[in-house]
Amino acid sequence: KNEVEQSPQNLTAQEGEFITINCSYSVGISALHWLQQHPGGGIVSLFMLSSGKKKHGRLIATINIQEKHSSLHITASHPRDSAVYICAVKVGNTPLVFGKGTRLSVIA
Amino acid sequence: DAMVIQNPRYQVTQFGKPVTLSCSQTLNHNVMYWYQQKSSQAPKLLFHYYDKDFNNEADTPDNFQSRRPNTSFCFLDIRSPGLGDAAMYLCATSRDLTTDTQYFGPGTRLTVL
Repeated sequence: KNEVEQSPQNLTAQEGEFITINCSYSVGISALHWLQQHPGGGIVSLFMLSSGKKKHGRLIATINIQEKHSSLHITASHPRDSAVYICAVKVGNTPLVFGKGTRLSVIA
Repeated sequence: DAMVIQNPRYQVTQFGKPVTLSCSQTLNHNVMYWYQQKSSQAPKLLFHYYDKDFNNEADTPDNFQSRRPNTSFCFLDIRSPGLGDAAMYLCATSRDLTTDTQYFGPGTRLTVL
């Protein structure tokens, strides 16, 4: 059974800080997704990775397939980055397996 | 421009009164998913359609049904809502079942009185 673990569960940061959220999974995957969910809102897909690194604005996602580990980094964090960040993995045609999410609060 | 649209955004129903949630997409994607998300929990897949092929998750209660009359629309029917069915219901789409990105709608928050 594929399990997805995220750390930390909760994170509070000061505006401008560099933030890292980690995701580990237990079996080989075909893709890993990072998702963002604002309070009471729907989910936005940030990245889909199968190898290496992707960057979009202040967000960077990396994945190490051998170590079964991915990180999401936020540079120069801002209060509008406050949200729940969810890691989810895909194995072939099976449904996405979601982590429990990391709740980020960025304080001005 | 909204790509995955869910209606209504908020739905209140009474215990045992059937309710239907709606999802539409402008992406022409083959796959549509329905997830249930309870407070502070990860989304839980209820079922998905690949085109007209319906796939039910093993632990999805019989109380939950779905219809996909065409590519653009998919409905979630809850036949007899219980208090435990109060949740956010998320619709998502993807081009295919393998590695493609899933696009989520804004969700419908269901309250059961």
